[in-house]
Amino acid sequence: GEDVEQSLFLSVREGDSSVINCTYTDSSSTYLYWYKQEPGAGLQLLTYIFSNMDMKQDQRLTVLLNKKDKHLSLRIADTQTGDSAIYFCAERKEYGNKLVFGAGTILRVKS
Amino acid sequence: EPEVTQTPSHQVTQMGQEVILRCVPISNHLYFYWYRQILGQKVEFLVSFYNNEISEKSEIFDDQFSVERPDGSNFTLKIRSTKLEDSAMYFCATEATTNEKLFFGSGTQLSVL
Repeated sequence: GEDVEQSLFLSVREGDSSVINCTYTDSSSTYLYWYKQEPGAGLQLLTYIFSNMDMKQDQRLTVLLNKKDKHLSLRIADTQTGDSAIYFCAERKEYGNKLVFGAGTILRVKS
Repeated sequence: EPEVTQTPSHQVTQMGQEVILRCVPISNHLYFYWYRQILGQKVEFLVSFYNNEISEKSEIFDDQFSVERPDGSNFTLKIRSTKLEDSAMYFCATEATTNEKLFFGSGTQLSVL
């Protein structure tokens, strides 16, 4: 299957942590990605994780991967108003290298 | 940081007309892709291109679509006879090797009237 699912909306207060969740169906996916899209802009690569890893940390971003449950999460520590955007989860197919995207999670940060 | 550059940023065309969307990949990148996002829908894969050949294409990428790298730098997507349902944001993406960082351009918003 080619289903990547995300919750549609998340609202947090400035300074709190945000956790955006994603589930996927293809157990043979090689890499999983998080992209950020601000209004009127393109897709900015935030981070990615190899499917054999459990966790990856990059400054305020922490990615957790539960391969058994096919669950991916992105945690943003100390969320700022500038983090308000749409966040896309995507899986990399083993064959062909294409990315399959989720529908995106709208993150709204309240000051 | 190097960027993938797409032109134009907006394109308005009449149904049935041909459009060409242009992308300048990051230099030394060898793998190229087109994706599109219809308003309110998911980002969808269209086609991948490597070594002057299409590597993979989706069902969306029918005979009306074509890609080429005419001068060794620009990577183009041509739609021969546009339809209303081709209206979308079209993203070019490039990477140096596969299974690496895939960088996207800022997109071309295509509106077919």
